[in-house]
Amino acid sequence: QVQLVQSGAEVKKPGASVRVSCKASGYTFTSFYIHWVRQAPGQGLEWMGRINPDSGVTNYPQKFQGRVAVTRDTSISTAFLDLSRLRPDDTAVYYCAREEYVNFDYWGQGSLVTVSS
Amino acid sequence: FMLTQPHSVSESPGKTITISCTRSSGSIANNYVQWYQQRPGSAPTTVIYEDNKRPSGVPDRFSGSIDGFNSASLTITGLKTEDEADYYCHSYDSGIWVFGGGTKLTVL
Repeated sequence: QVQLVQSGAEVKKPGASVRVSCKASGYTFTSFYIHWVRQAPGQGLEWMGRINPDSGVTNYPQKFQGRVAVTRDTSISTAFLDLSRLRPDDTAVYYCAREEYVNFDYWGQGSLVTVSS
Repeated sequence: FMLTQPHSVSESPGKTITISCTRSSGSIANNYVQWYQQRPGSAPTTVIYEDNKRPSGVPDRFSGSIDGFNSASLTITGLKTEDEADYYCHSYDSGIWVFGGGTKLTVL
């Protein structure tokens, strides 16, 4: 069965960087885009970017360009989200999701990142 | 572009509700709309994809449509208490993906 398993919770100080991983199993990793979506406490969903695991090509919304990088390691079927220059308002649950055509059909369990001095 | 949803909707069990999702620019008909349900503490799950398709396991009480005011709608008939959740619309354009702000459905 398809699974996306994310790395655990992180606590970071303002200005630091964080890496969240998303390990895929149960399907051919290179056949489906992986997206990253975050959700601040009590807030809605916010799209952060995506990667084509086959080519490595990425797309980001303008808000995060320069501060977010999405990469992958096909040898371990894992996608990564790197977020730099962390601020307290980056505190959120970060999700990875698989895209089947236009639908985000499978999601990871979420990884809580807390940014606090 | 942005997708705008009502902040909250409430209705009684057995009734019907409709949640709207209005696109701010560009035609909503040009790119598929998805709807996700999210219960507290859980990841979102799809209830409608490609405007009006239901994944297996989603009851036919859930339906989606594209309307005439550059909007999409999610309709839930025969409301059940288990439908109480947050609902998000979702679409894309030119490689950029957008979520609506979410609608909190209360079934009381």
